[in-house]
Amino acid sequence: DGGITQSPKYLFRKEGQNVTLSCEQNLNHDAMYWYRQDPGQGLRLIYYSQIVNDFQKGDIAEGYSVSREKKESFPLTVTSAQKNPTAFYLCASSIRQGAYEQYFGPGTRLTVT
Amino acid sequence: GNSVTQMEGPVTLSEEAFLTINCTYTATGYPSLFWYVQYPGEGLQLLLKATKADDKGSNKGFEATYRKETTSFHLEKGSVQVSDSAVYFCALSDNWETSYDKVIFGPGTSLSVIP
Repeated sequence: DGGITQSPKYLFRKEGQNVTLSCEQNLNHDAMYWYRQDPGQGLRLIYYSQIVNDFQKGDIAEGYSVSREKKESFPLTVTSAQKNPTAFYLCASSIRQGAYEQYFGPGTRLTVT
Repeated sequence: GNSVTQMEGPVTLSEEAFLTINCTYTATGYPSLFWYVQYPGEGLQLLLKATKADDKGSNKGFEATYRKETTSFHLEKGSVQVSDSAVYFCALSDNWETSYDKVIFGPGTSLSVIP
């Protein structure tokens, strides 16, 4: 079945550690996105990528980094510079960037203590 | 810039009640409009969409009509079920290929349906 996978579902880290969240898609989509969702709030865009080896900052990129070495993969690293990293992180993809449906993964809940 | 406003809820309805979740938007171009649904602990799923004025999107008994004159895309369902309990997001997407804009999500409306 085609879709987006994120792993792990739950992740716990100590403050000061970097952590990488995985996102893989087998939909053959060009565009991929990372969002952050906090309780009772909408989605905020962290980074997006239109094509392999290219990515752009979203609204809240500070303290995060990404790579796009393969079409299928768009991992997100939450660095120790992120002041408030505890949140629900959602990865999404679309056939290409534009007014197209985005397909979402199941999310990773990151807790940093 | 582009923006989306939707009623924030929470909304609590009895089973079989009529549902309306209001959504209005501001856009400089000719956006496509979407409703996404998020069930507890999961990612978002597309519920329906409309790409031009007067289009009606529909799915699973939900409907929404793209009203350019009122810049609205209200979500409706005639008879809700307990299984419809979720958070609903209105979203707008302009044509990135020319404007390099992004998908804008509303804050979400939490719906609880009680038996």
